[in-house]
Amino acid sequence: AQTVTQSQPEMSVQEAETVTLSCTYDTSESDYYLFWYKQPPSRQMILVIRQEAYKQQNATENRFSVNFQKAAKSFSLKISDSQLGDAAMYFCAYRSYNNNDMRFGAGTRLTVKP
Amino acid sequence: GAVVSQHPSWVICKSGTSVKIECRSLDFQATTMFWYRQFPKQSLMLMATSNEGSKATYEQGVEKDKFLINHASLTLSTLTVTSAHPEDSSFYICSASRGESSGNTIYFGEGSWLTVV
Repeated sequence: AQTVTQSQPEMSVQEAETVTLSCTYDTSESDYYLFWYKQPPSRQMILVIRQEAYKQQNATENRFSVNFQKAAKSFSLKISDSQLGDAAMYFCAYRSYNNNDMRFGAGTRLTVKP
Repeated sequence: GAVVSQHPSWVICKSGTSVKIECRSLDFQATTMFWYRQFPKQSLMLMATSNEGSKATYEQGVEKDKFLINHASLTLSTLTVTSAHPEDSSFYICSASRGESSGNTIYFGEGSWLTVV
């Protein structure tokens, strides 16, 4: 079974600075998807960024980018120019290529200081 | 707007009673939906995979007789918590896949808070 590990329960960043959230995963599959989701206090799951494992290029969405290291099974999220609205729980998630259920990491609570 | 909707958003029920939570895909058909449970300050744990027209597939450790899942149509899955107890109080959230034509994008519902008193 696939497992996802987020080793940082909490992170803090100064507004306008950059922060990196870590995620590692374990799988024997070669094709899969990786995601970062943001969960604000409303509990709504918001997709931040998505990476297909077969793509070598790191995904980027505006201020959010990932560092995908397939051999190392690492998938970190970098948030640039952090904003107060970025404060939330962030979950790393794994999804098999042929299966739509997701496995989530334990989450990282991000605090943004003004 | 939301493409997956859950109802109710909040529900309080008495211990021993049953409560039903609905998950609807609003503008697409979903042959498969997923139910997750999230305890406070914890991650989402997959409970079961809901398959349209067939039995749900439960994760290890999830009681199928307690958490009844019915996926009677391509746009609706329901989770019924039977004989609820205070320890069943939690945040329940569903998700659905939009299909290959949309890159199998997963959409989450808004979640449902269950409090058993």
